[in-house]
Amino acid sequence: EAQVTQNPRYLITVTGKKLTVTCSQNMNHEYMSWYRQDPGLGLRQIYYSMNVEVTDKGDVPEGYKVSRKEKRNFPLILESPSPNQTSLYFCASSPTTGREQYFGPGTRLTVT
Amino acid sequence: AQSVTQLDSHVSVSEGTPVLLRCNYSSSYSPSLFWYVQHPNKGLQLLLKYTSAATLVKGINGFEAEFKKSETSFHLTKPSAHMSDAAEYFCVVSELWNQGGKLIFGQGTELSVKP
Repeated sequence: EAQVTQNPRYLITVTGKKLTVTCSQNMNHEYMSWYRQDPGLGLRQIYYSMNVEVTDKGDVPEGYKVSRKEKRNFPLILESPSPNQTSLYFCASSPTTGREQYFGPGTRLTVT
Repeated sequence: AQSVTQLDSHVSVSEGTPVLLRCNYSSSYSPSLFWYVQHPNKGLQLLLKYTSAATLVKGINGFEAEFKKSETSFHLTKPSAHMSDAAEYFCVVSELWNQGGKLIFGQGTELSVKP
């Protein structure tokens, strides 16, 4: 089944403890992206990647890192999480730039 | 700069009656437009897409949308609402040559369906 998977789905952590949210797609898509969804603010892009080893900042990149070493994987790294990063995170992929994106199920992160 | 405005934050309809969710967009170039649906505690699912082909676009679950360039609108409709349609709906615009084809999301319209 064609899909985008994210792990973990739920995570509660403490301020400053490094964490990684994994994202994987099995559709051979070139484009991948991370979003966060917050009440009243909608979905905002954190980082995106047009292809392997090519990443760029979105609208709200502060406090996040990404890497794209393989086409199928696009992990989101929070080196030192803070409470303002408590949010619902979505990974998405697309065949190429500007096309429709397919979303993962989301990761609900709480930082205390 | 591209932007999306969903004109209603909440729409309530009765089961079996038509659904209209309104969306206006602003774009400097020829945009791609999408509607996504998000059910409670679920991810976003693509309902339909417009990419400069036919202006009337049919999607899944009986939804359709019409691209009207003169009105810069892309309203979502369905002839008869079902209880399972209750969800949040997002109108989205993307420009291929702008910021890496980033998706710009509207603020969402929450659809309630009464029995």
